[in-house]
Amino acid sequence: EVQLVESGGGVVRPGGSLRLSCAASGFRFDDYGMSWVRQVPGKGLEWVSSINWTGGSTGYADSVKGRFTISRDNAKNSLYLQMNSLRAEDTALYHCARDQGWLGRSGYFDLWGRGTLVTVSS
Amino acid sequence: EIVLTQSPGPLSLSPGERATLSCRTSQSISSSYLAWYQQKPGQAPRLLIYGVSSRATGIPDRFSGSGSGTDFTLTISRLEPEDFAVYYCQQYGSSPPTFGQGTKVEIK
Repeated sequence: EVQLVESGGGVVRPGGSLRLSCAASGFRFDDYGMSWVRQVPGKGLEWVSSINWTGGSTGYADSVKGRFTISRDNAKNSLYLQMNSLRAEDTALYHCARDQGWLGRSGYFDLWGRGTLVTVSS
Repeated sequence: EIVLTQSPGPLSLSPGERATLSCRTSQSISSSYLAWYQQKPGQAPRLLIYGVSSRATGIPDRFSGSGSGTDFTLTISRLEPEDFAVYYCQQYGSSPPTFGQGTKVEIK
């Protein structure tokens, strides 16, 4: 089955760190760029970060630049998001998504995971 | 960044009716780089349309997309019970990719 499954969410204090993971299956992972997109419960969608198929090109939203790091391990069919210096406004459901971008830029997202919830609270 | 504004607010319709959802962008979108997604409660978003008018794999032909420049439309020709959901547009012609705030299609 073609799917993406996120894990690693939880409750963390402001200033803390968390590492999210996304396990891909059912397709050739290293053929695709990947992204993280977050969603405040009951609200809209915000692109967070993207990475190309090799891992050699990445992009970040201004709101997370310098605090979050995206990476991937093609041998493990896995995508990661290291989140440092977390703030209350980072509280959201974090989806990983298969990215149909090109030349290191993000495109549309044709496969999504159900997300992992990150709550930043003291 | 490009801002996307969706209208109308909640759209209350009956099964079998036609739904017309609008997405307006703050700048012209290059090369038709606009997509539409459907999201139901507790589920991940699902890609419906990309490139303004190309249906994604497995999407029924009652869903269609159109538009150019700054004005785009998603049309559901005849609403089925499973179509009541929230719909988002997204532009990917300019970085960062951005989404509209969503339009909820609810049962009247």
